Amino acid sequence: GENVEQHPSTLSVQEGDSAVIKCTYSDSASNYFPWYKQELGKRPQLIIDIRSNVGEKKDQRIAVTLNKTAKHFSLHITETQPEDSAVYFCAAPVDYKLSFGAGTTVTVRA
Amino acid sequence: DGGITQSPKYLFRKEGQNVTLSCEQNLNHDAMYWYRQDPGQGLRLIYYSQIVNDFQKGDIAEGYSVSREKKESFPLTVTSAQKNPTAFYLCASLKSGRANTGELFFGEGSRLTVL
Repeated sequence: GENVEQHPSTLSVQEGDSAVIKCTYSDSASNYFPWYKQELGKRPQLIIDIRSNVGEKKDQRIAVTLNKTAKHFSLHITETQPEDSAVYFCAAPVDYKLSFGAGTTVTVRA
Repeated sequence: DGGITQSPKYLFRKEGQNVTLSCEQNLNHDAMYWYRQDPGQGLRLIYYSQIVNDFQKGDIAEGYSVSREKKESFPLTVTSAQKNPTAFYLCASLKSGRANTGELFFGEGSRLTVL
């Protein structure tokens, strides 16, 4: 969606390396930032989210950071594994709906 | 086993025909959404409904119609007015009508191909 920009569109990493995906949003009222993972042929599923009252959240190998001043948030995947290969979407709420980024295709090379 | 069921999974349509995609949820969620997914364009919102008997246009509503007569059901009709209907369609639901309240649950999608 035009309210959320996501970069890069594709990302290839060596297994064991880190991957970082960045998103920017335009609505300063946005206060909830989820990340969804979509494996090939499957539905998108929530993997982590962050609210605007915190700057960072971790869950095992994944983490999300938020910079409200700059209006951007990032997904960090450490020690990447083959099962991390998927399309990742960031999102931010605009009024009563979620606006999604265009997605990042992550490929983990063995 | 709670979740969202979309049908059909695959659908072929001739130009000029209307088709209806089904979406049913048994999660007791108030809000339901239809997204269209095209390669490289992410998920674009077609229509959404925060409550029964009410729905609003999303970012790309032209050529589509919906109804929300029951809480569990939110069917999408792709009309002949939609100029480029070939796409992957995803239905989703949310417990409340506010998009910042939690996880959006998605169905498995319906792939529509216009011949």
